[in-house]
Amino acid sequence: RKEVEQDPGPFNVPEGATVAFNCTYSNSASQSFFWYRQDCRKEPKLLMSVYSSGNEDGRFTAQLNRASQYISLLIRDSKLSDSATYLCVVRRGGGADGLTFGKGTHLIIQP
Amino acid sequence: ETGVTQSPTHLIKTRGQQVTLRCSSQSGHNTVSWYQQALGQGPQFIFQYYREEENGRGNFPPRFSGLQFPNYSSELNVNALELDDSALYLCASSLAGDYGYTFGSGTRLTVV
Repeated sequence: RKEVEQDPGPFNVPEGATVAFNCTYSNSASQSFFWYRQDCRKEPKLLMSVYSSGNEDGRFTAQLNRASQYISLLIRDSKLSDSATYLCVVRRGGGADGLTFGKGTHLIIQP
Repeated sequence: ETGVTQSPTHLIKTRGQQVTLRCSSQSGHNTVSWYQQALGQGPQFIFQYYREEENGRGNFPPRFSGLQFPNYSSELNVNALELDDSALYLCASSLAGDYGYTFGSGTRLTVV
C-alpha cells in the first residue's frame, strides 16, 4: 500500500465550479501535511499547509482528519489558471525524513 | 532573495555511465533534499543533507550518493545509470526546523 494515495483523475471541471480532492495517508506517525501544486513540466510549489482545525486561503480550503488519516482540498469558483496537478504531501516528525508525495490529482478547468 | 537553482536543466546519458547534478540552495537555507520524479508519479525522496552530512534517506540504492558544501549547495551523484533512472530530479532547500521547502526547477535526465 502506498504511503499517500490520491485519485489521479483527471478531473474535468467547468470554470466557476467547486471541486474537491481527497487523499489518504497510511503512516500514523505523519506530523505535517501540505498541498502542493505542480504545473506541467515544472517544479512543485506549496499551495498550503493543512491543519486539523482546517484552514482557508482565498478560494482554497484544506482539512485534515487525523483519526481517519484523510486530507482534503476544496477549490471554490475555479479558474482556468487552477488547471494543474495537485500533490498531497505528508511529513513525519523530525526533519530528516523528507516529504512523502502522493501521485497527484490532475485537474483540468474547462471554459 | 535568490531561489533554488539546478544545473544542468537537461541531460542525456548512456546506461552504465555516471552523472552529477548540482543544486544551489535558496539564500538563508541550510538543508538540501533531493527527489526523483518519474513520469506520471509524485516526487520520491532520495536523501537530505544538513551541515554537510546525509541525515535522512529514502528507499534508494547506494549508487545514489550526494554531497553538501559549506555554502549549502549540493550535488547528487548517480553511478551505473539504469534506464529506470530517467526522471526529473528535483532539489529542495529549507531551513532546519522550518517546514517551508523551496524547489528548484529540476534536471531532466534521460538514460538511453
